Amino acid sequence: AQSVTQLGSHVSVSEGALVLLRCNYSSSVPPYLFWYVQYPNQGLQLLLKYTSAATLVKGINGFEAEFKKSETSFHLTKPSAHMSDAAEYFCAVKAAGNKLTFGGGTRVLVKP
Amino acid sequence: GAGVSQSPRYKVAKRGQDVALRCDPISGHVSLFWYQQALGQGPEFLTYFQNEAQLDKSGLPSDRFFAERPEGSVSTLKIQRTQQEDSAVYLCASSLSGRIRSTDTQYFGPGTRLTVL
Repeated sequence: AQSVTQLGSHVSVSEGALVLLRCNYSSSVPPYLFWYVQYPNQGLQLLLKYTSAATLVKGINGFEAEFKKSETSFHLTKPSAHMSDAAEYFCAVKAAGNKLTFGGGTRVLVKP
Repeated sequence: GAGVSQSPRYKVAKRGQDVALRCDPISGHVSLFWYQQALGQGPEFLTYFQNEAQLDKSGLPSDRFFAERPEGSVSTLKIQRTQQEDSAVYLCASSLSGRIRSTDTQYFGPGTRLTVL
């Protein structure tokens, strides 16, 4: 079985500050890991994914994430927050099979 | 090209009514998924199709939930005798291949928000 834990259901950052969203996973097989963003009343959009190549993954909109097997983590970062980054972010794992298992999400608020 | 579309976007049902939610995946995508997203939570897997074959329905919460994809493209999720706990956003996603544990991206539709009164 697999699971995902996202620490912090809400994060508030100032515009221009570092964004750090935490994700820890458990998986019985080497995982594939994903970060999705969801804007209000919209579906999920892929930010980036780890599929066992490079451990540092760069995605869209300036986001990146690092896979750390020893820590079972896949934290998402962005050096400088923008107002348009206000949204909900979901970490997900794909272990066996094709279904995604999602964390509970982290809502990001960006203060001007 | 066009993304995943879902209809209706909003559905209000009285408790006990049957509802049908439609998903149009990206053309040519072999895999199709349904997820349920309760308010304030992450999406939870319901069921998975590879073409017209339903390969995994382990996430369907009860036998009131039924999904089909008869021609391997459009899919319908049907909920019979709706209950208040069925209120959620139902998300559909599709991906290109049908390979088991592929690295393909799942592309999500905007969802159908179901409210059961």
